[in-house]
Amino acid sequence: EAGVVQSPRYKIIEKKQPVAFWCNPISGHNTLYWYLQNLGQGPELLIRYENEEAVDDSQLPKDRFSAERLKGVDSTLKIQPAELGDSAVYLCASSPGEVRDEQFFGPGTRLTVL
Amino acid sequence: RKEVEQDPGPFNVPEGATVAFNCTYSNSASQSFFWYRQDCRKEPKLLMSVYSSGNEDGRFTAQLNRASQYISLLIRDSKLSDSATYLCVVNTNAGKSTFGDGTTLTVKP
Repeated sequence: EAGVVQSPRYKIIEKKQPVAFWCNPISGHNTLYWYLQNLGQGPELLIRYENEEAVDDSQLPKDRFSAERLKGVDSTLKIQPAELGDSAVYLCASSPGEVRDEQFFGPGTRLTVL
Repeated sequence: RKEVEQDPGPFNVPEGATVAFNCTYSNSASQSFFWYRQDCRKEPKLLMSVYSSGNEDGRFTAQLNRASQYISLLIRDSKLSDSATYLCVVNTNAGKSTFGDGTTLTVKP
């Protein structure tokens, strides 16, 4: 079974430029998460989807971040414009949908903003 | 104060040692508890779920104390391959998932 797929794996951009990350969850997984992870810290939730509905986006900086999950499958996270402080690893995870379910993570996108 | 707190370590132990990590959480609506393992520059992967009655998987034992709002992970007979960061994860009954910042373990020969 294929795992969670993310692209790109690495991205280097200059500040004020836009950037987008793509995630393809495990087939059949209803819940999709986007996390941000800084060095030495745990993943911090940005947004959680149940199918195509964003059920928790309270930690998403909506002035510059946006996300979508069309048709309840793939998802895209966008930053526009990027700031130096956005440099981090962006992780996508999916789970079947129950609270007790394991989350399966993709390899992440390592973003560097110069 | 963070919702989920862990001692960052690092814990440096010799092979064969027993080591224990604790994690405290503040949200009393927490329902599900997990330990994830994260290797350097890799994604987190589930190590084990934590059940109310406590559970064991080989050399690993996890326990939950709801009254004191903490969970623990015990690793017996440490192996070099156990070197990693261990993340405590707490889910509320609404599905909100909160990670601790992790405890780093280094097992030395």
